Amino acid sequence: GAGVSQSPSNKVTEKGKDVELRCDPISGHTALYWYRQSLGQGLEFLIYFQGNSAPDKSGLPSDRFSAERTGGSVSTLTIQRTQQEDSAVYLCASSSHTLSEQFFGPGTRLTVL
Amino acid sequence: SQELEQSPQSLIVQEGKNLTINCTSSKTLYGLYWYKQKYGEGLIFLMMLQKGGEEKSHEKITAKLDEKKQQSSLHITASQPSHAGIYLCGADRRGGGADGLTFGKGTHLIIQP
Repeated sequence: GAGVSQSPSNKVTEKGKDVELRCDPISGHTALYWYRQSLGQGLEFLIYFQGNSAPDKSGLPSDRFSAERTGGSVSTLTIQRTQQEDSAVYLCASSSHTLSEQFFGPGTRLTVL
Repeated sequence: SQELEQSPQSLIVQEGKNLTINCTSSKTLYGLYWYKQKYGEGLIFLMMLQKGGEEKSHEKITAKLDEKKQQSSLHITASQPSHAGIYLCGADRRGGGADGLTFGKGTHLIIQP
């Protein structure tokens, strides 16, 4: 595709449920990033994948959050036992290499009731 | 970790007027990125600055990087309604290498007709 795509665009879930968010990066981009944007915290880095290297998970807020990237392309961010404070817009970005601009997807708006 | 402070937090400008948004870092800036976000949408890449003193322009938007002051400024000339949105500066989280970005809280720009 022409840009980074994310699905779903909106997700409403109940507290305690697990959710999966998907990111399709721009074809050929080796670096993939997940961020979270909320009113109180602004835009926060969560996790970073570069090629086949082990991901940098230093930004994940708790062990309920995990992410994987299959085949160096599509990535899934999983939040287990969701809490209300997980409500935010989750943004994915990709770049052709680590020193170039990051292109962002439209985001997934997650609401935990 | 890197922290970025943007000023002003919000700005209301009459159409046709010039404006400047600043981004100040708590640490040495190795790479500074400017993005624009329309309300409820993803981030649009504007410019990336990597060297002290570097200046880049795109249409009516100019960005500069002052390495000594650990600061970048974004200047819009003859503002138009299409310039309205949230402007975010981002910088490499750890410096010296590239991975996820740290972002400022953003500057909300409103253009009055």
